[in-house]
Amino acid sequence: NAGVTQTPKFRVLKTGQSMTLLCAQDMNHEYMYWYRQDPGMGLRLIHYSVGEGTTAKGEVPDGYNVSRLKKQNFLLGLESAAPSQTSVYFCASSSYSSGNYEQYFGPGTRLTVT
Amino acid sequence: GDSVTQMEGPVTLSEEACLTINCTYTATGYPSLFWYVQYPGEGLQLLLKATKADDKGSNKGFEATYRKETTSFHLEKGSVQVSDSAVYFCALSEGTGNQFYFGTGTSLTVIP
Repeated sequence: NAGVTQTPKFRVLKTGQSMTLLCAQDMNHEYMYWYRQDPGMGLRLIHYSVGEGTTAKGEVPDGYNVSRLKKQNFLLGLESAAPSQTSVYFCASSSYSSGNYEQYFGPGTRLTVT
Repeated sequence: GDSVTQMEGPVTLSEEACLTINCTYTATGYPSLFWYVQYPGEGLQLLLKATKADDKGSNKGFEATYRKETTSFHLEKGSVQVSDSAVYFCALSEGTGNQFYFGTGTSLTVIP
């Protein structure tokens, strides 16, 4: 049971390049989330999904797109990277069936945009 | 809307000192409350939680009590260790659990 995994762990992009971050969970959770973490800002929700094939915007969705084609995977895309997107990105998942809604986090992806 | 406000850091303590990290919240309903811990270079891990008023969550010597009357969920530990050095996040989840609201985090450094 690997929990929540993220690929890649580190990435450096040039302004304007695109990339996709992959999140996978093996806990059969319904909900999945993408956050970014910046110094002094805590965690801010980018997008989330309440089930396969559904996505919704969070607090800071601009410049990002997401897809949830399979229940276990949640992809975060940057179509044209900007220096303001330099951050640490965390994926999380949770299950509403338990009624506790605890979120389980991946180890993070450190992205630098130059 | 919902929000969480937690004590600003950084906090530096000597080993065996007492710790309190304040957390207050604003919510429209009856949220569940959480403390998460983030060790250097890692993701967040659940430290403890409380799902209703007057519940006390506890784990690894840390405690927090859900106080509805003061809308607070302060994190406490009687004797901190060097291994407790980390960033601590207070969070709430309301309703169906679609969204969590996190505080900005409090960095704790414990020196020997």
